[in-house]
Amino acid sequence: NSKVIQTPRYLVKGQGQKAKMRCIPEKGHPVVFWYQQNKNNEFKFLINFQNQEVLQQIDMTEKRFSAECPSNSPCSLEIQSSEAGDSALYLCASSQTGGETLYFGSGTRLTVL
Amino acid sequence: QQQVRQSPQSLTVWEGETAILNCSYEDSTFDYFPWYRLFPGESPALLIAIRPVSNKKEDGRFTIFFNKREKKLSLHITDSQPGDSATYFCAASADNNNRIFFGDGTQLVVKP
Repeated sequence: NSKVIQTPRYLVKGQGQKAKMRCIPEKGHPVVFWYQQNKNNEFKFLINFQNQEVLQQIDMTEKRFSAECPSNSPCSLEIQSSEAGDSALYLCASSQTGGETLYFGSGTRLTVL
Repeated sequence: QQQVRQSPQSLTVWEGETAILNCSYEDSTFDYFPWYRLFPGESPALLIAIRPVSNKKEDGRFTIFFNKREKKLSLHITDSQPGDSATYFCAASADNNNRIFFGDGTQLVVKP
């Protein structure tokens, strides 16, 4: 069973508000991924980290999204100014190496009203 | 350009039949191909995976067939059960790249 912990489980925000979600990766996993899953179950890669360093991120992430994985603290993904199109399930996953098996958390379901 | 493609988008089979889910990829340097299964209300979990050193990987009723030359693979679920109804994602990654690329998934329904 995955030990990736994501909080909160549900998040409701108004347009323009900040939305912040957190992830504790599985112990011993230095690589953390964030994905956005839409209502059609499609996965969209957002950003990944190795330890505290960003490895890759998509353009969308660079503009309104910010993320970090500080040492000894949960990783976080924050949307600076939420839009209706941001409503989705945000999944955090961790792995021992970036190209190997991912272990997913339960996700944070964001609804932007 | 989408790196990993899956077909069909949805598939319905009867209990006991074999379900065949297809996947193709673009990058010939990919060397790890996991399949994840997503049940409604749960998070994705690894089902089975293959590396190109093999052209077949079997785990119970689940078998991956791999064709490196054509950059295609398929997941066969024999003796399908209603409990197999889920969305199946094919993914691909390369050892020198900390990215895993996912297909859009195949939604499988197994009718009793």
